[in-house]
Amino acid sequence: AQSVAQPEDQVNVAEGNPLTVKCTYSVSGNPYLFWYVQYPNRGLQFLLKYITGDNLVKGSYGFEAEFNKSQTSFHLKKPSALVSDSALYFCAVRAPSGAGSYQLTFGKGTKLSVIP
Amino acid sequence: KAGVTQTPRYLIKTRGQQVTLSCSPISGHRSVSWYQQTPGQGLQFLFEYFSETQRNKGNFPGRFSGRQFSNSRSEMNVSTLELGDSALYLCASSPGTSGANEQFFGPGTRLTVL
Repeated sequence: AQSVAQPEDQVNVAEGNPLTVKCTYSVSGNPYLFWYVQYPNRGLQFLLKYITGDNLVKGSYGFEAEFNKSQTSFHLKKPSALVSDSALYFCAVRAPSGAGSYQLTFGKGTKLSVIP
Repeated sequence: KAGVTQTPRYLIKTRGQQVTLSCSPISGHRSVSWYQQTPGQGLQFLFEYFSETQRNKGNFPGRFSGRQFSNSRSEMNVSTLELGDSALYLCASSPGTSGANEQFFGPGTRLTVL
């Protein structure tokens, strides 16, 4: 079974400072990893994904994530936080194989608050 | 391309009633997945449909069911509503041909059961 852990329920960061939202995963085989963001009363928006290749993945709105296979982690990062980045962030994993199922397994989410 | 649309956006029902939610995927997408989001349980997978066939199902009681039509539009139905069914129900679409495809989410349907 695949699983995702986001160890922090909430992350607070000052505007202009770098931010990191942590994610670790458990899956058989090589994973497909995704980050989504959710603003209040909205659906999830795709930020970025890791499939294969370069461990540093760049995505939307200046976000990037680093895949670390030995630590089974996929932390989301941004060099300089904006107040508008305040939202709920979800990490998700999908095993690349399995009887045609493309189910995503999500972490519990991390609430990011960027303080002006 | 238009995004994923879900109707209705808000619903208020009473215990024991049934409800049907609708999802229209992005044009060309053949996979539609449904998720339930609650503050306590987070995002939980309900089921996935691909080309009118249920490809996978989450751990929910049989009161939760779904279907997909030939135009890829999908509906989910919840019968005999319980208070605990109050949640945001999210639909997501993708091409469905590779696990590397990201899913695109609709705005959700907020269901309140009284």
